Amino acid sequence: KAGVTQTPRYLIKTRGQQVTLSCSPISGHRSVSWYQQTPGQGLQFLFEYFSETQRNKGNFPGRFSGRQFSNSRSEMNVSTLELGDSALYLCASSPTEGYGYTFGSGTRLTVV
Amino acid sequence: DQQVKQNSPSLSVQEGRISILNCDYTNSMFDYFLWYKKYPAEGPTFLISISSIKDKNEDGRFTVFLNKSAKHLSLHIVPSQPGDSAVYFCAATYSGAGSYQLTFGKGTKLSVIP
Repeated sequence: KAGVTQTPRYLIKTRGQQVTLSCSPISGHRSVSWYQQTPGQGLQFLFEYFSETQRNKGNFPGRFSGRQFSNSRSEMNVSTLELGDSALYLCASSPTEGYGYTFGSGTRLTVV
Repeated sequence: DQQVKQNSPSLSVQEGRISILNCDYTNSMFDYFLWYKKYPAEGPTFLISISSIKDKNEDGRFTVFLNKSAKHLSLHIVPSQPGDSAVYFCAATYSGAGSYQLTFGKGTKLSVIP
């Protein structure tokens, strides 16, 4: 059974640019969540999607957005990148019910 | 406001001994707790979880204890093995409607010395 796939694994962007990260959940999982991991703040919840609807959003500025497609694949977008956006971005998927969160390996974003 | 706290950034244990990782929480609404293990350059891997209706859950070498009155949980690893060396995250959530959000502690780096 394939796991959660995140692309790309590594990304370098310039301040002010925008970036789109992709996540393919485990087959059959309809919930996709995104987390940001930084050395200072640890793992912080960004948002969660279920059946193409955002159900929950963390305390991040509006520059951070996401969406989910009908096949449950999800993308997150960060506009007007800042140096502080440099982080590991993790995607997790879970079944329709329950807390069976499985994480992908993440996308390491570096903003220069 | 950190709702889930792991006060020990690091822990070193001899191989074969017990590792005890601790976690405290402040939000009384949390009713489900999870432990994840993370190696560098990989995503967190689920280890074990516990519902607030229980005070203990075991899975092989891993046991999680929950003390609701103290808002404290701990992960015991017995016996510890070198392959257990990783960062361990405690996470919490609550079964509110549509709430599939995990709140994480900042992690404890476990080093198991051969």
